[in-house]
Amino acid sequence: DTAVSQTPKYLVTQMGNDKSIKCEQNLGHDTMYWYKQDSKKFLKIMFSYNNKELIINETVPNRFSPKSPDKAHLNLHINSLELGDSAVYFCASSHIQGVANNEQFFGPGTRLTVL
Amino acid sequence: AQSVTQLGSHVSVSEGALVLLRCNYSSSVPPYLFWYVQYPNQGLQLLLKYTSAATLVKGINGFEAEFKKSETSFHLTKPSAHMSDAAEYFCAVSVPGGGADGLTFGKGTHLIIQP
Repeated sequence: DTAVSQTPKYLVTQMGNDKSIKCEQNLGHDTMYWYKQDSKKFLKIMFSYNNKELIINETVPNRFSPKSPDKAHLNLHINSLELGDSAVYFCASSHIQGVANNEQFFGPGTRLTVL
Repeated sequence: AQSVTQLGSHVSVSEGALVLLRCNYSSSVPPYLFWYVQYPNQGLQLLLKYTSAATLVKGINGFEAEFKKSETSFHLTKPSAHMSDAAEYFCAVSVPGGGADGLTFGKGTHLIIQP
């Protein structure tokens, strides 16, 4: 029944490890996004995908890579984790690519803690 | 590039009092504007959006916002605060053809409701 779901909800790991966060949407949307929310609650877009094609890639380190096996999924892989990667990561989706006034639906977030 | 400024990182009001959360935007083209709410440990939920139709926009939970081009503002109001309104509120902007539909968020305003 959940529109946009993410797993895991919490992720605690050591520096240098590689981890993935999964996102799935059952809304039939064609565009998905990843946002990062830092400790001060500031939200910034990282990536968006439309029909398996990357259409935004903000200035994020190349240790972060989005992977979309199909239109309903957009996973986030992070290599060589650093302390500064600790944040809450939100997945989102929207219906129509290219329509800037289109509502984005957000997942519940994944809280990543790097020790 | 577009930007959003939310005045006041924390706003405290008494239950039953008027809620006013301020948002000013900067954009070189007519923007689309959004207010999202984030309850503790949850994702973001759309309250309302301005898409160049009516300047006074009504949203969920009794909230409304007015787009004022001359003031580049999109302030969020609610006539009577309820305890359940305590949350983090984010103003966001997007523009046609800009950033491929990614939202640019303000830094958020934490709304505290005093009993």
